[in-house]
Amino acid sequence: DAGVIQSPRHEVTEMGQEVTLRCKPISGHNSLFWYRQTMMRGLELLIYFNNNVPIDDSGMPEDRFSAKMPNASFSTLKIQPSEPRDSAVYFCASSGDRRTDTQYFGPGTRLTVL
Amino acid sequence: GDSVTQMEGPVTLSEEAFLTINCTYTATGYPSLFWYVQYPGEGLQLLLKATKADDKGSNKGFEATYRKETTSFHLEKGSVQVSDSAVYFCALGFNQFYFGTGTSLTVIP
Repeated sequence: DAGVIQSPRHEVTEMGQEVTLRCKPISGHNSLFWYRQTMMRGLELLIYFNNNVPIDDSGMPEDRFSAKMPNASFSTLKIQPSEPRDSAVYFCASSGDRRTDTQYFGPGTRLTVL
Repeated sequence: GDSVTQMEGPVTLSEEAFLTINCTYTATGYPSLFWYVQYPGEGLQLLLKATKADDKGSNKGFEATYRKETTSFHLEKGSVQVSDSAVYFCALGFNQFYFGTGTSLTVIP
């Protein structure tokens, strides 16, 4: 299996621009997670999907952030408009049926907002 | 609520030294416990896990035992290598998945 795939691996953009991060989970996994990692705040859960449905989005910072999962093999995290404080590494992870199953992480997208 | 607390770092050890990274948990039931490792520039990888009390997870020379009586899941390795330099995360899976804050380990030759 190819594992969790994320794109792009690096993104540099200017403040105010729209940013879209993409994730392909492991085939057969029913749960998908988006995380943000920074030095100051560590690893933060942004949103959790189960069977393509958002279950918990309490970690989404504000309305500028949105996430979708149109099918079992694809998810996006969008930031519009982006701000310098959004600079971080964004990880996607997938797991089996239960939220407590082992999570498998992608390599991450390093986002820099100038 | 449910949570994990792990030893703060950074930790610096000489090669072949013994490693312990402490992790304790709080949960209302019987969670699964995990250790993940993150190498520089990479995502988190599962290192080992244990799903019930007294289980021992092991991988790549690392071990951790699920201790219900002390609510702990300490990570140990008898002889660390330079290649073990990474950040280690303890995690708990019960109603939700919770990660600890991470412990940075640097092993010097």
